[in-house]
Amino acid sequence: DTGVSQDPRHKITKRGQNVTFRCDPISEHNRLYWYRQTLGQGPEFLTYFQNEAQLEKSRLLSDRFSAERPKGSFSTLEIQRTEQGDSAMYLCASSIDSGTAKLFFGSGTQLSVL
Amino acid sequence: TQLLEQSPQFLSIQEGENLTVYCNSSSVFSSLQWYRQEPGEGPVLLVTVVTGGEVKKLKRLTFQFGDARKDSSLHITAAQPGDTGLYLCAGVKNYGQNFVFGPGTRLSVLP
Repeated sequence: DTGVSQDPRHKITKRGQNVTFRCDPISEHNRLYWYRQTLGQGPEFLTYFQNEAQLEKSRLLSDRFSAERPKGSFSTLEIQRTEQGDSAMYLCASSIDSGTAKLFFGSGTQLSVL
Repeated sequence: TQLLEQSPQFLSIQEGENLTVYCNSSSVFSSLQWYRQEPGEGPVLLVTVVTGGEVKKLKRLTFQFGDARKDSSLHITAAQPGDTGLYLCAGVKNYGQNFVFGPGTRLSVLP
């Protein structure tokens, strides 16, 4: 039984560098979400896909952030020109489009921008 | 803008005590969920409540959804150290297309 997988688990980068994270959802799940969580806060919504279509993107999301889900399976989240304020846990979750939706989260990617 | 508020923010209790944590909003949700998150891991779903006034029990945990579907409570009976974690409530909008999380209650149960 494979859950949601995220890679890498940890990423340390220097300010100004680009980083890319990968999320592999549960195989039959057609919805995929990206959230960001900082210490002491709940997850903050970034963006959401249904299959390969990006249906919603947070207005708080800077243009430096982009996400893709090219074949409706795995997804990538790229942050360009990282800033120290981007340091956070980036969480991916997936769900199936039926009934009362349930989010299944990965273990997250912890990003530290120095 | 935080649509969901949770209280208390922190709670530290002794093993065996009972506790209640709260989740409040000015918005109406199609359903509300509770998650528990441990350090370095993603949140794990505990329960979904859908109907106003609904009460669900999960072993020592009792969840209640307010009549107006704007608030919820989680009651833990005889807390154990294994209950330690961050308890998050999430309001579900548009029947599963949008999940909004509260800031969480960080619970510590001391042996």
